[in-house]
Amino acid sequence: GNSVTQMEGPVTLSEEAFLTINCTYTATGYPSLFWYVQYPGEGLQLLLKATKADDKGSNKGFEATYRKETTSFHLEKGSVQVSDSAVYFCALSESGGYNKLIFGAGTRLAVHP
Amino acid sequence: NAGVTQTPKFRVLKTGQSMTLLCAQDMNHEYMYWYRQDPGMGLRLIHYSVGEGTTAKGEVPDGYNVSRLKKQNFLLGLESAAPSQTSVYFCASSYSQGRLYGYTFGSGTRLTVV
Repeated sequence: GNSVTQMEGPVTLSEEAFLTINCTYTATGYPSLFWYVQYPGEGLQLLLKATKADDKGSNKGFEATYRKETTSFHLEKGSVQVSDSAVYFCALSESGGYNKLIFGAGTRLAVHP
Repeated sequence: NAGVTQTPKFRVLKTGQSMTLLCAQDMNHEYMYWYRQDPGMGLRLIHYSVGEGTTAKGEVPDGYNVSRLKKQNFLLGLESAAPSQTSVYFCASSYSQGRLYGYTFGSGTRLTVV
């Protein structure tokens, strides 16, 4: 079946460091890919998305490119801030069926001053 | 503010008790979903609905029931709560093309079963 695999956390960085969180997926057809962010005590917020191969999603300095050849959707940010500390979820939405979201396990990011 | 509203935000139940979690959305979304979030497991789909009067099972449906009598509301019921149902529950909604436009999540309900 379809699945999403994320790198395990926690990821601990100093402010202004470069961030990469790896995400790979297994899916039939042409899924859409998403990154969601969950700040402490809150629900999930859509960070960015890509709906077809080679699309690049971007928001708030974060970027991810839909790579069909490597089945990956890695999240990157050039300079993280303390306020980026959160849990990040990679997810896919199947191209058929009822658009169910399938999530990775989540990666906790902690940014220190 | 438009969005998805979940009630209650917190609840403690004793084993065997029942309760209903309410999800309401005001975006006229066709599809609604209930997920549970457990440490190290991401979010897992419990049940979903593709329209008023319809429901379907997700990945982990056992022990839960749902109803969607109105388009804007999606109820999740626990008939006889068990400690294994201690979790954070999230409701989400989307248009029928959610894979193109994204999904909106509520702020969650933290349930503890003792």
